[in-house]
Amino acid sequence: AQTVTQSQPEMSVQEAETVTLSCTYDTSENNYYLFWYKQPPSRQMILVIRQEAYKQQNATENRFSVNFQKAAKSFSLKISDSQLGDTAMYFCAFMKRASNYQLIWGAGTKLIIKP
Amino acid sequence: GAVVSQHPSWVICKSGTSVKIECRSLDFQATTMFWYRQFPKQSLMLMATSNEGSKATYEQGVEKDKFLINHASLTLSTLTVTSAHPEDSSFYICSAVQTSGGASETQYFGPGTRLLVL
Repeated sequence: AQTVTQSQPEMSVQEAETVTLSCTYDTSENNYYLFWYKQPPSRQMILVIRQEAYKQQNATENRFSVNFQKAAKSFSLKISDSQLGDTAMYFCAFMKRASNYQLIWGAGTKLIIKP
Repeated sequence: GAVVSQHPSWVICKSGTSVKIECRSLDFQATTMFWYRQFPKQSLMLMATSNEGSKATYEQGVEKDKFLINHASLTLSTLTVTSAHPEDSSFYICSAVQTSGGASETQYFGPGTRLLVL
């Protein structure tokens, strides 16, 4: 069975700093997706970034980028130039490709951006 | 694109009554939707998988007769909490899977429904 581990329950950084959230996973699958979702205080779950395991290139979305290390089963999220609006819970998730679309979730990291 | 709505956003009801929550994919068709429950400061707990035109698949420990799911069209799934009790009070979130386009096989989430049973 797949598992997703987020080892940082909470982090805080100053506005404009760069922060990296860690995520490791365990799977015997070779074909899968990895996701980062954010859940701000409104509790709306928002897709931040998506990585296809067969792609070696790390996914990026504006200030958000990932460091995908397939062999190490690591999928960290880097937020550059952090903003107050980045304050949220961040969840890492795994999905086996061409399956039932179910997500395996990490426990989440609470990120606080301080002014 | 990939917008999912959920209605109502919050509801207060009396114990013993039933509550229906709607989940709609607004700009894409979704043969598969999911229903989650989230407790404070925790991750999402999957309750069931809703498949258009067929019966929902419930996770272990979720009472199918209590949490009725209907996925009657490619854009709408409903969750009905029957005979609600205070322990059913929670935050319920739905998601819909986009299976075509650039971000296929991706779950997009509704804004959630806060249910309080008195």
